[in-house]
Amino acid sequence: TQLLKQSPQFLSIQEGENLTVYCNSSSVFSSLQWYRQEPGEGPVLLVTVVTGGEVKKLKRLTFQFGDARKDSSLHITAAQPGDTGLYLCAGGGQWDTGRRALTFGSGTRLQVQP
Amino acid sequence: NAGVTQTPKFQVLKTGQSMTLQCAQDMNHNSMYWYRQDPGMGLRLIYYSASEGTTDKGEVPNGYNVSRLNKREFSLRLESAAPSQTSVYFCASSEAAGGIYEQYFGPGTRLTVT
Repeated sequence: TQLLKQSPQFLSIQEGENLTVYCNSSSVFSSLQWYRQEPGEGPVLLVTVVTGGEVKKLKRLTFQFGDARKDSSLHITAAQPGDTGLYLCAGGGQWDTGRRALTFGSGTRLQVQP
Repeated sequence: NAGVTQTPKFQVLKTGQSMTLQCAQDMNHNSMYWYRQDPGMGLRLIYYSASEGTTDKGEVPNGYNVSRLNKREFSLRLESAAPSQTSVYFCASSEAAGGIYEQYFGPGTRLTVT
């Protein structure tokens, strides 16, 4: 059972376009992380958000944590070919289970065409 | 610092063979994890070790065993490989800061079971 659902699963856009990726759950998480994974490599952490309603910016990437801590979004402005990769959201420390490990979404595969 | 290292990078096994995947981290992290990644499934947790001397099952532990050899090393063993275990295996480590487990991943082991 996937506790974190990401949408869309695949996205192919032209360089310069904007896009938003969503990560949704029915569970409350104490924190939400976003990772990017390039082919043949392990995921690399981009950002962690911990407060409901929190917004963090990383250059052209904007991350938001939902008020209820159940969902998150990643917005990329003026996408570049270097943004191509698999984007994974991961929820930490579910409050109802006390689990001390992350729960990963199934990922959004982004292709930015030059 | 090498971060998280994994060996081997690639492996082909016949059904029924056994093997051990090795993982080491040099960041002095307490927690270590093993995940498998299959197309469209994101990362699924196999086992984790919150600290030296402890291990816990994740979502998909059947067919695997782990050993936390010391603080640096966490190995994953397949006793009798099956084709369903064909996957990419990632090791990760983290240190909890305020209850947040930001994870650092190794480059992965690509395993094929025929």
